Amino acid sequence: GENVEQHPSTLSVQEGDSAVIKCTYSDSASNYFPWYKQELGKRPQLIIDIRSNVGEKKDQRIAVTLNKTAKHFSLHITETQPEDSAVYFCAADSGGSNYKLTFGKGTLLTVNP
Amino acid sequence: DAGITQSPRHKVTETGTPVTLRCHQTENHRYMYWYRQDPGHGLRLIHYSYGVKDTDKGEVSDGYSVSRSKTEDFLLTLESATSSQTSVYFCAIKLAGGYEQYFGPGTRLTVT
Repeated sequence: GENVEQHPSTLSVQEGDSAVIKCTYSDSASNYFPWYKQELGKRPQLIIDIRSNVGEKKDQRIAVTLNKTAKHFSLHITETQPEDSAVYFCAADSGGSNYKLTFGKGTLLTVNP
Repeated sequence: DAGITQSPRHKVTETGTPVTLRCHQTENHRYMYWYRQDPGHGLRLIHYSYGVKDTDKGEVSDGYSVSRSKTEDFLLTLESATSSQTSVYFCAIKLAGGYEQYFGPGTRLTVT
């Protein structure tokens, strides 16, 4: 089955700096790659996603890049703010018809004021 | 909130007792999923459903069963709870027209 590796497990940045979180996946049939943000005690919430026919996608301060050949994708957050502090999860779909997702183990991002 | 709720939100139970968690949705979504979340493991798929009475196992299905007798409800049952099943359980639905999964508020289960 699919295996998703996520790095780093923790990341601390100063407010205003950029943050990058990287994920690799194993199943070449995967074609959907979402990123979720989870604040303490809350549900995971989708912040951005990308399909395999696209190499990059941006939404304001957040961007995701995908390299299908290398089987890795990354989340980029620019001009970080304290409210960006949370756990971030990447995921990849199974490539099948039931839209199953396999998640990475998460990255705790801390943005220091 | 995409019309998804979970009940109970918190539960403490003893080892060996049966436990059923409920996921309820009001928007007629076909696909529903149960995940557990543990520190250091992220979210792991337990079981999923692709329609009424259509279910299948995920990566951590041992010790769990599910049922979906109607579109709006997806039940997760721990037949005989163990301490290793202490976790936060999230239900999710796949939104129509795409791939996005939307999560319920979660159930914190403690098995003593």
